[in-house]
Amino acid sequence: GDSVTQMEGPVTLSEEAFLTINCTYTATGYPSLFWYVQYPGEGLQLLLKATKADDKGSNKGFEATYRKETTSFHLEKGSVQVSDSAVYFCALSRGNDYKLSFGAGTTVTVRA
Amino acid sequence: DAGITQSPRHKVTETGTPVTLRCHQTENHRYMYWYRQDPGHGLRLIHYSYGVKDTDKGEVSDGYSVSRSKTEDFLLTLESATSSQTSVYFCATRPDQSLQFFGPGTRLTVL
Repeated sequence: GDSVTQMEGPVTLSEEAFLTINCTYTATGYPSLFWYVQYPGEGLQLLLKATKADDKGSNKGFEATYRKETTSFHLEKGSVQVSDSAVYFCALSRGNDYKLSFGAGTTVTVRA
Repeated sequence: DAGITQSPRHKVTETGTPVTLRCHQTENHRYMYWYRQDPGHGLRLIHYSYGVKDTDKGEVSDGYSVSRSKTEDFLLTLESATSSQTSVYFCATRPDQSLQFFGPGTRLTVL
């Protein structure tokens, strides 16, 4: 079945540091790929998405590129802020019902 | 934000009691989903609905049932709650595109 594997956390960074969170997937066909973010005490919000190979999703300074050859969708941000502290989830959806399969989540803490 | 509310937001109950969680949406989205979030597992799909009275199981459906009698409401029922069902439950909705919007979550504790 479909599955998503993302790097384990927690990740602790200083402000303005570079952030990368690795995500790889297993799925047949051509899934859509997503990064969701969950701020403390809140629900999930879509951060960015990509629907086909070589697409780059971007939002709020975050970027991720859909790499079919390596089945990866790594999240990057060049200069993090304290407000980026959150849990980040990589996910994929496939098929007409668009059910989401999530990775385990990576907790990121940014220190001032 | 797709106008999704969940109730209750917090609940503590005892083993063996029935529990119903409600998801309400105002956007007339056709698809609705229930997930549970547990440490180390991310979110896992419990059940989903693709229309009024049309539902199907997800990967962790045992011990749960759902109902959708109108477009805006999707109910999740634990017929006899167990401690393993202590979790945070999220509802999501989707229009016909692939994007899903999530509610604020319900924290359920089963003692």
